[in-house]
Amino acid sequence: AQSVAQPEDQVNVAEGNPLTVKCTYSVSGNPYLFWYVQYPNRGLQFLLKYITGDNLVKGSYGFEAEFNKSQTSFHLKKPSALVSDSALYFCAVYPGGYQKVTFGTGTKLQVIP
Amino acid sequence: DGGITQSPKYLFRKEGQNVTLSCEQNLNHDAMYWYRQDPGQGLRLIYYSQIVNDFQKGDIAEGYSVSREKKESFPLTVTSAQKNPTAFYLCASSKAGSAYEQYFGPGTRLTVT
Repeated sequence: AQSVAQPEDQVNVAEGNPLTVKCTYSVSGNPYLFWYVQYPNRGLQFLLKYITGDNLVKGSYGFEAEFNKSQTSFHLKKPSALVSDSALYFCAVYPGGYQKVTFGTGTKLQVIP
Repeated sequence: DGGITQSPKYLFRKEGQNVTLSCEQNLNHDAMYWYRQDPGQGLRLIYYSQIVNDFQKGDIAEGYSVSREKKESFPLTVTSAQKNPTAFYLCASSKAGSAYEQYFGPGTRLTVT
């Protein structure tokens, strides 16, 4: 069975500083990995995905994520945080086929002005 | 939130009453999903449907029921058997076999007292 771990419940970063939101996964075979963002009382919005190819994946709103197979990690990054990036971020893993997606527990990102 | 609508946004019910949450999509997606979101627990899959007139239990199906009579619609009934129904409920859809790219609705916050 697949699993996803987001070890930090909350990450605080100053506006303009780089940010990292951590995610590690466990899945058989080659994983599909994703990041979603959720603003208060809203649904999830897709940010980016890794399926195959370059380990550095670029997504929406200037976010990127680095796939590291040896460390089974898929950390979300952004070079310069904005206050508007403050939200709840979910990492997710998908083993393929008609199997289900497994979401992490979410990390609240707080960007401080 | 793509072409998925959920209604109502807020719903209040008395304990012991069944309640049905609406989910409609105009994305022509075959697959639809219901998730429950609780603080600190991320998203947990309740039910999913890959095709009309077919659906499968997710990780926490007890106390819930669904139907999929039309491609566009996937209503969720929270029954009185659900021990702790107060939560934020999210509906999502995807193309068949593409669970990795789900589009989410805005959610319904259900409060049962």
